[in-house]
Amino acid sequence: EAGVTQFPSHSVIEKGQTVTLRCDPISGHDNLYWYRRVMGKEIKFLLHFVKESKQDESGMPNNRFLAERTGGTYSTLKVQPAELEDSGVYFCASSQEPRQGGNREQFFGPGTRLTVL
Amino acid sequence: DAKTTQPTSMDCAEGRAANLPCNHSTISGNEYVYWYRQIHSQGPQYIIHGLKNNETNEMASLIITEDRKSSTLILPHATLRDTAVYYCIVRVHKAAGNKLTFGGGTRVLVKP
Repeated sequence: EAGVTQFPSHSVIEKGQTVTLRCDPISGHDNLYWYRRVMGKEIKFLLHFVKESKQDESGMPNNRFLAERTGGTYSTLKVQPAELEDSGVYFCASSQEPRQGGNREQFFGPGTRLTVL
Repeated sequence: DAKTTQPTSMDCAEGRAANLPCNHSTISGNEYVYWYRQIHSQGPQYIIHGLKNNETNEMASLIITEDRKSSTLILPHATLRDTAVYYCIVRVHKAAGNKLTFGGGTRVLVKP
């Protein structure tokens, strides 16, 4: 079974441009999460989808970031316009609908390395 | 979610057991202890989790103290591929899933 995939693996853009990151979760996983690590900092949560609905978007840094998950399958994260401080690695993770007492393991993708020049 | 404290780094000899401590003195009764690791240039990877009892799987063992204020992740026979940053995370199990809160983790270097 395929794991979580992310596209592109690397993206280099100039300040002010727009970039869209894509995440394909494991098939059947209702929960989809976005995280990012900016240079020298810890991995930070951005938002959480349950199917197509945003369950928690408390980590989204500002309104330049827009996440969507139309149809409850893959998700996109758009940054518009990109700023220098947006550089970092963006991770996507997915998990199954948790059962009482069950494992809430999140499966992570390899990440997208974004560089804003 | 409760805050955790881990050593910044540690070295381990290949083939020996690696014992990674984590303090979570403010953990609540309904919070689980999770361990993830991130190998360089990869996404974080789940290792193990537990609530009260010690747990073991094919990757590691998790020892949780009786008062639950600390835990230890044990890699029984460390290999060079276990070199990674290890994260101890405490979190509740919410009905609709919930985020992971990563700290600085412990950078483990397994040496030949």
